[in-house]
Amino acid sequence: DAKTTQPTSMDCAEGRAANLPCNHSTISGNEYVYWYRQIHSQGPQYIIHGLKNNETNEMASLIITEDRKSSTLILPHATLRDTAVYYCIVRRTSYDKVIFGPGTSLSVIP
Amino acid sequence: GAVVSQHPSWVICKSGTSVKIECRSLDFQATTMFWYRQFPKQSLMLMATSNEGSKATYEQGVEKDKFLINHASLTLSTLTVTSAHPEDSSFYICSAIHPSANSYEQYFGPGTRLTVT
Repeated sequence: DAKTTQPTSMDCAEGRAANLPCNHSTISGNEYVYWYRQIHSQGPQYIIHGLKNNETNEMASLIITEDRKSSTLILPHATLRDTAVYYCIVRRTSYDKVIFGPGTSLSVIP
Repeated sequence: GAVVSQHPSWVICKSGTSVKIECRSLDFQATTMFWYRQFPKQSLMLMATSNEGSKATYEQGVEKDKFLINHASLTLSTLTVTSAHPEDSSFYICSAIHPSANSYEQYFGPGTRLTVT
């Protein structure tokens, strides 16, 4: 599976949009981009995934660049409860094991 | 979303004893489950893939005789830490693959915090 790189940490003001970038320059044509998050001392939570089109659900939006070498997870109105570590993962199928990198620690500030 | 539970949520045991952690898929059948461990301020590390009715597949560097995995039914996988030592103290998390209408997706349990004294 392709490797991803994310910033170590980010801050976001409460109520503002949180934009979390992810680079995956070696992604293959059949690999999906997945995002998970882990709130402190809890299990990871699935957020969203996509192949090449932008995706939106009740939690977030996923913007994938046309060349698919990077993507951005957008939390439109961040709340304090969105403070967590966010993991960007690339894998071929949703049946594949999830290998976590270090992720981005997002702090939402009042 | 689908629910995965773990039991116990935390456990303290003495060095040299064994401890069993359960992972259950509550509202779906999971032929495949995964076990992770996480040390403080670190990311999750995949330990093994648990397949119902067959032997688990362990990641490189994980001792299969120390971390016994049993996936005896479609809703239950267990991880037994044998002869536990303080360095085994960690947060253990399982996940289960849920077959949905469009694709399979993994759902994670809430984790089990193990402290070995």
